[in-house]
Amino acid sequence: DAKTTQPTSMDCAEGRAANLPCNHSTISGNEYVYWYRQIHSQGPQYIIHGLKNNETNEMASLIITEDRKSSTLILPHATLRDTAVYYCIVVRGSQGNLIFGKGTKLSVKP
Amino acid sequence: DTAVSQTPKYLVTQMGNDKSIKCEQNLGHDTMYWYKQDSKKFLKIMFSYNNKELIINETVPNRFSPKSPDKAHLNLHINSLELGDSAVYFCASSPVGEQGTREKLFFGSGTQLSVL
Repeated sequence: DAKTTQPTSMDCAEGRAANLPCNHSTISGNEYVYWYRQIHSQGPQYIIHGLKNNETNEMASLIITEDRKSSTLILPHATLRDTAVYYCIVVRGSQGNLIFGKGTKLSVKP
Repeated sequence: DTAVSQTPKYLVTQMGNDKSIKCEQNLGHDTMYWYKQDSKKFLKIMFSYNNKELIINETVPNRFSPKSPDKAHLNLHINSLELGDSAVYFCASSPVGEQGTREKLFFGSGTQLSVL
């Protein structure tokens, strides 16, 4: 599975959009981009995933560049409860064998 | 209703003891997992079971043995506990589906194991 690179930490003001970048320049054509987050002392939580097209659900939007070498997770209106570590993971369909990196620690501030 | 529940939430024990962590999911998923999060916060898969059969068995000491009595349960037994086993253990489940969907895992809230 392709490796991902994310910033170590980011800050965001409450109510503003949080844009979390992820680089995956070695991604293959059949690999998906998944985003999870882990709020302190909780288990990881699935957010969204995509292959080529941009995706949106009730939690977030995922923007994947045309060359698929990078993506951005967007939380449209960040709240204090969105403070967490966000993980970008590229998988080829290995049935749950997710390789978590260090992720981005997002701090949402009042 | 809790989708993936694991017990206990905290487990403090002495070196050399044998302990178990239980996990149950009520999502009807066919696949269950155990992940370990170490002190540096790295999450790594330990085991994966699909419909009671072992699918993934990463390099884990054989003191760790998963047991799946049915597809809704995957328990983790640990024998002869060592100091280095101290970590947070997460149970998870996922549906079997098309590529690109079966990596949507649902995690439990974790069991913090402390070996003294």
